[in-house]
This record gives sequence, C-alpha cells and structure tokens, in this order.
Amino acid sequence: KAGVTQTPRYLIKTRGQQVTLSCSPISGHRSVSWYQQTPGQGLQFLFEYFSETQRNKGNFPGRFSGRQFSNSRSEMNVSTLELGDSALYLCASSLEATAYEQYFGPGTRLTVT
Amino acid sequence: AQSVSQHNHHVILSEAASLELGCNYSYGGTVNLFWYVQYPGQHLQLLLKYFSGDPLVKGIKGFEAEFIKSKFSFNLRKPSVQWSDTAEYFCAVNLLTGGGNKLTFGTGTQLKVEL
Repeated sequence: KAGVTQTPRYLIKTRGQQVTLSCSPISGHRSVSWYQQTPGQGLQFLFEYFSETQRNKGNFPGRFSGRQFSNSRSEMNVSTLELGDSALYLCASSLEATAYEQYFGPGTRLTVT
Repeated sequence: AQSVSQHNHHVILSEAASLELGCNYSYGGTVNLFWYVQYPGQHLQLLLKYFSGDPLVKGIKGFEAEFIKSKFSFNLRKPSVQWSDTAEYFCAVNLLTGGGNKLTFGTGTQLKVEL
C-alpha cells in the first residue's frame, strides 16, 4: 500500500500571502490529521477530519483551516502568513476516527520570508 | 491541559548499550500511548503502541515499552542499541475522551549511538 503523500514537499512564501497544502491518506483510511512541527514548539496538533467533518481542533488561530473531500484527501490552508508559521506540516491518516494508530506523511516544509 | 514529558532531551550511547527513555503524561483518564521514531531525513514512523491489555508491549526493531498506570509512565526500552537506532524518539498520548485522533507529543529525545 502506498503511504501518506503530501504535496508540495517544499514551499517558500512571503509574509501576508496564503498557502494551501495537500494530503492524500493511505487507501481506505478515513481520518486525516494535521500537525505542525517546529524546533521551538515541537509537534502540535492542528485539526482532524473524518468523513469531511472536522472532529478535533487544536489551539491555533483561525488563519489555519482545513477541509476533507469525499475521497478522504485533505487540504489545509494558512492565510495571512506570518514568519512564525515557518514549520514542517505533517499529515497523518488512520483507519477510523476512534484512536487508531496514525501513519505520517513526509511533511511539507513551509518557509515564510 | 494534557501534557507529555520526555525528560531526556539528548542521549548518547555506545553500540550494545541498553536504552531506556522516559515518558510521563499528565492525564488521569483512559489513554492510548505511542512511541514514534524519526530517523534522519525520514518521516515519523510508529515504533509501538499501547491500547489495552498486557502493559508490556513489543514493537519493531527490538523495542519494547511498559505502561505503568500508577506512575502515568510509558517508558521505551531496548536491551542493546545499534548505530542505526540513531534518531529522534517521540512519546505521544491520545485521550479517548471525546473520541478521534488528537495526539499530544512529548518534546522528543535525540538519541545518538556511537560505534
């Protein structure tokens, strides 16, 4: 089975712009979660989607949003980028929404200048 | 708020030495527990997990972890490390209250194994 894929792998944006990241889960997985990884804050949960509905949300500002499509693929969007948004954004998928193990993708490295 | 503590931030061992990485969490309810590993240049991989049952769980590559409920701990162990175990190790907790997948991660432990 193919793993979780994320596109693009690297992205450079300017402060104030917006960005959309994409995630394709493992085939058959219905839950997709997003995490932000930075050297200072570590791995932090952004949100989780299951059956096109947001099930859980972390403590991030409203500039961070996401959605899930009927084929379980997910996108996350960050509007009005700030320098502090520079991070590795990880997507993880799991079979169901009830506490199964999550499988992580390689991440999208976002740099905001 | 729930939190996960990994007390060892950097660990350096010689090959064949034994490893124990500490993990404590601060939530008293029912949890699922995980250890993930991130090898240099690679993505996070699941090492092992605890959902219920036998508190001693075995994972891939000879790793094991013991869940001690009374101590809120889930320590990772390996009897004899190899150079290829050099990586960053993350403990993670998923609260079962409310359902869904919402992992809280520890800050990670960077392990370096020297030849």
